[in-house]
Amino acid sequence: EAGVTQFPSHSVIEKGQTVTLRCDPISGHDNLYWYRRVMGKEIKFLLHFVKESKQDESGMPNNRFLAERTGGTYSTLKVQPAELEDSGVYFCASSQAGTVLEQYFGPGTRLTVT
Amino acid sequence: GQNIDQPTEMTATEGAIVQINCTYQTSGFNGLFWYQQHAGEAPTFLSYNVLDGLEEKGRFSSFLSRSKGYSYLLLKELQMKDSASYLCAVTFGGGYNKLIFGAGTRLAVHP
Repeated sequence: EAGVTQFPSHSVIEKGQTVTLRCDPISGHDNLYWYRRVMGKEIKFLLHFVKESKQDESGMPNNRFLAERTGGTYSTLKVQPAELEDSGVYFCASSQAGTVLEQYFGPGTRLTVT
Repeated sequence: GQNIDQPTEMTATEGAIVQINCTYQTSGFNGLFWYQQHAGEAPTFLSYNVLDGLEEKGRFSSFLSRSKGYSYLLLKELQMKDSASYLCAVTFGGGYNKLIFGAGTRLAVHP
């Protein structure tokens, strides 16, 4: 069974540009989460999808971040326009439907904004 | 906020036992996870505790005291490959399982 995959693995963009990160969860997992780790800090929650619905987006930093999960399969996270403080590693995780269950993490996308 | 505290770094010797502690605020607590993360890789699930007591899984065990807001991860028979960051993460409230992470403990295992 394939794990959670993320694309790209690395992205270097200039301040003001747009970047779109993609996450493919484990097949059949209704729950999909986005997290971010800024250098030197802990991993922080961004948002949570259940199928195609945003269940909790309390961690989204501001309206420059837009997450979608059309069709309830893969998800994208767009940053527009990117700022220097957006640099970090963006993780995606997925879990099965139901009560609290382990979340399977992808390898992350390392975003560098210059 | 919901502070999750764990030591920043630890060192241990191959073959030894190490205990990594984690404390958290008890209000609204649901459950506690431990993840292992090697540099540049995805965090991987180690254990989940929701009730008080010890959960054993091979060389790794995790303990929880809900009333004290305390957990530890115990690693036995340490191997060089156990050098990694160990992340304590908690779920709170009646919400939808978002993980609140501590900053992680970097463990270095020496020969």
